[in-house]
This record gives sequence, structure tokens and C-alpha cells, in this order.
Amino acid sequence: QKEVEQNSGPLSVPEGAIASLNCTYSDRGSQSFFWYRQYSGKSPELIMSIYSNGDKEDGRFTAQLNKASQYVSLLIRDSQPSDSATYLCAVPRGSTLGRLYFGRGTQLTVWP
Amino acid sequence: NAGVMQNPRHLVRRRGQEARLRCSPMKGHSHVYWYRQLPEEGLKFMVYLQKENIIDESGMPKERFSAEFPKEGPSILRIQQVVRGDSAAYFCASSEGYQETQYFGPGTRLLVL
Repeated sequence: QKEVEQNSGPLSVPEGAIASLNCTYSDRGSQSFFWYRQYSGKSPELIMSIYSNGDKEDGRFTAQLNKASQYVSLLIRDSQPSDSATYLCAVPRGSTLGRLYFGRGTQLTVWP
Repeated sequence: NAGVMQNPRHLVRRRGQEARLRCSPMKGHSHVYWYRQLPEEGLKFMVYLQKENIIDESGMPKERFSAEFPKEGPSILRIQQVVRGDSAAYFCASSEGYQETQYFGPGTRLLVL
């Protein structure tokens, strides 16, 4: 079982729609969860972090965490073409200091 | 406040040469991480360092790869006797503490001919 798994995509949505990105993780001891955005040829850029069960909203982005189900998601409302990128879910293991485990990423395309 | 800095941004080496990648963390950050991203693959952890200490090197290949973070100066990832399979993007990230958010540098794209 992989540490972090994401819906493989690619995901394609029209401009203005809601994009939903999903991630599951294997270590129940994980306490923090991160979403990064990576444009082609660029480095990962932090979008959201979430630590507690429930929803966390930041502008058009909402992260949702369910530790019982070991599931974290990212919703992008009013999607824009500039949101087209690969979205990476990252989770540290509860027992391992520092290192992040990344999913393979979900490639999102928002078409005008 | 400058972000994480990496240099060079692009590096071309011939097989058998050495590659030296540098990373300066964000101001106030003392934790540095190196990740590798192979073409069409996800980010893979390589090594986690604090000043003068290697905390976790479980992701480093056993041979040819080494990393350091001296008391003064940037963190360095060294790859000896490079092979074509080492061609990848190498990203450095830094954080204030070991459970804190990691911020990534622009990366070094290594191409081995």
C-alpha cells in the first residue's frame, strides 16, 4: 500500500466549475496534511495546510480532512484557467520526523 | 524575505563527472530537505538535515550520493560519477521545525549526457 494515493486524473473542468481533488493516506499517526500546486517545469508551491478534522477555507480553496477515513481533499471553487496545474498531496508519517510523502499528483485542466 | 534559493538552476554533466547542488534555506529556517523528481514521477524524499547533522538519509541511494549542511553556508547535495539515470529535478525545501510547513526552492534541473 502506498503512503499517499491521489485520484490519478487527469481532471478536466470548465471555467467557473468546482474542481475536486482527493487523497488518501496510510499512516493513522499522521497529524498534518498539505496541498501543493506545481506548474509544469516549476517547483511545488504550498496551497493549503490542514491539521484538524473538518473544513479549512482560504479564498477559492477549501481543504477537507477526515482522519477516521484517512482522507483529505481539496476543492477549488470558481476554477480559472490559471488553476491548470498538477496538485500534490503531501503527508508526513506520524513516526518519521520531517520527511513528506507525496502522492503522484492530479493534473487539473480548466478550460475556458 | 527571500525564499529558498537553489543554484545552479540548470546543470549539465557528462557521465562520470560530479554534480554539486546548493541550497540556501529561507531566513530563520534551520531544517533542510532534498527531494528528487524523475520525469513523469512524483516527488521522492532523499535526505533531511539540520545544521551540521543528517537527521534522515533513508531516501538517499547508498552509493555516489552525499549531503551536508555545514554550520556556515548552504546545504550541498553531491552526486559523484553521475549516470544518465540521475537526470532529474532536484528540489530543496526548508522549514522552521520538523513538523512545520516546508517551502520549496526553484529546483536544479540536472541533465546527464
